Amino acid sequence: EAEVAQSPRYKITEKSQAVAFWCDPISGHATLYWYRQILGQGPELLVQFQDESVVDDSQLPKDRFSAERLKGVDSTLKIQPAELGDSAMYLCASSLESQVRSDTQYFGPGTRLTVL
Amino acid sequence: SQQGEEDPQALSIQEGENATMNCSYKTSINNLQWYRQNSGRGLVHLILIRSNEREKHSGRLRVTLDTSKKSSSLLITASRAADTASYFCATGRSSNTGKLIFGQGTTLQVKP
Repeated sequence: EAEVAQSPRYKITEKSQAVAFWCDPISGHATLYWYRQILGQGPELLVQFQDESVVDDSQLPKDRFSAERLKGVDSTLKIQPAELGDSAMYLCASSLESQVRSDTQYFGPGTRLTVL
Repeated sequence: SQQGEEDPQALSIQEGENATMNCSYKTSINNLQWYRQNSGRGLVHLILIRSNEREKHSGRLRVTLDTSKKSSSLLITASRAADTASYFCATGRSSNTGKLIFGQGTTLQVKP
């Protein structure tokens, strides 16, 4: 069964350093999402792509976070510089349907980020 | 911002018992979804119910939706230890982005 791949699974970094996360969605899925999940809370959307275009980045802290999906397939989320409050699980998800309606999302295993 | 509020925040039951979790939301939706998350892992989609549906079943899962009360419930019948996880409701609004907004989740522990 096709799955969403993410790497790394775990990342420990010091504050002020740069970190990057990678996501490969299920083949053929046009929509890709990056979420941040703080321990004990539900996921919050950071950025949503439709193919290579950003359709929602209203919750992305743009002073330090950036995301790209250059060829409309895999995606990278970067944080520079990392802050202590960025410690969280970063989840990637993809869905088949277009942005027109909310469809089932398929999640990767996540990257657990710890900022020291 | 998170739209859904789930109740209870934590639930502990014995294997074989039924578990019921509730979700309330604030704005109009076009569908509501339930996801499960095992500790430290990604989320797994369980079931989707559209705004024009009132009840839906999938195996041991039963979901109800009351749009007049802006609430949903997830019932897991004959629970198993393997059902131990966090459960999240997520609402899809009538917007042009297909965005889902997740609740805070209910942590379910099923004791063998």
